Amino acid sequence: AQKITQTQPGMFVQEKEAVTLDCTYDTSDPSYGLFWYKQPSSGEMIFLIYQGSYDQQNATEGRYSLNFQKARKSANLVISASQLGDSAMYFCAMRVVGGATNKLIFGTGTLLAVQP
Amino acid sequence: DSGVTQTPKHLITATGQRVTLRCSPRSGDLSVYWYQQSLDQGLQFLIQYYNGEERAKGNILERFSAQQFPDLHSELNLSSLELGDSALYFCASSDAGGSYNEQFFGPGTRLTVL
Repeated sequence: AQKITQTQPGMFVQEKEAVTLDCTYDTSDPSYGLFWYKQPSSGEMIFLIYQGSYDQQNATEGRYSLNFQKARKSANLVISASQLGDSAMYFCAMRVVGGATNKLIFGTGTLLAVQP
Repeated sequence: DSGVTQTPKHLITATGQRVTLRCSPRSGDLSVYWYQQSLDQGLQFLIQYYNGEERAKGNILERFSAQQFPDLHSELNLSSLELGDSALYFCASSDAGGSYNEQFFGPGTRLTVL
């Protein structure tokens, strides 16, 4: 069965420091995609970054990077130079490529609080 | 702004009632997904439509139903509402031909059942 696990319910980080949010996944399919979404207190889901299972390089998008370790089945999100506006809930999600649906399977999320 | 619109933004109703949530996908997106976010269940996939046809079902209750219309907007119907149906309901859309089928989420409809 496909599953996403986020073991950190909440984290604190000082402003301007880097922080790593953990995500491990489980799938037997060889082709899949991994996503990170941010959900601020206002509720909307904001796409941050994507990593495909066959991508050779770790994905980066501005201050966000994804530390993809395929053998360990982990896809940790690294936020560099944290800002107060980064305080939010962060969700890791997986999509299995192929088959009839592109549904996303989400983890339980990590609540990040950035302190001044 | 993701380009996905959802109405209404908030909905307060009573147990036993029926409500309809509406979603308009991004221009050109053929797939619409519905997700429910609740405190006890987290974020879970309910149902997907592709170009008017049901594509996949997740943990959707029999009291819930959905459809996608010829103009590609979608509606999620929730009936015989219970307190436990209180949740944030998201609609997302994707372009089937996209490079990685990123799903763009709407702002959500927050349903409160009293």
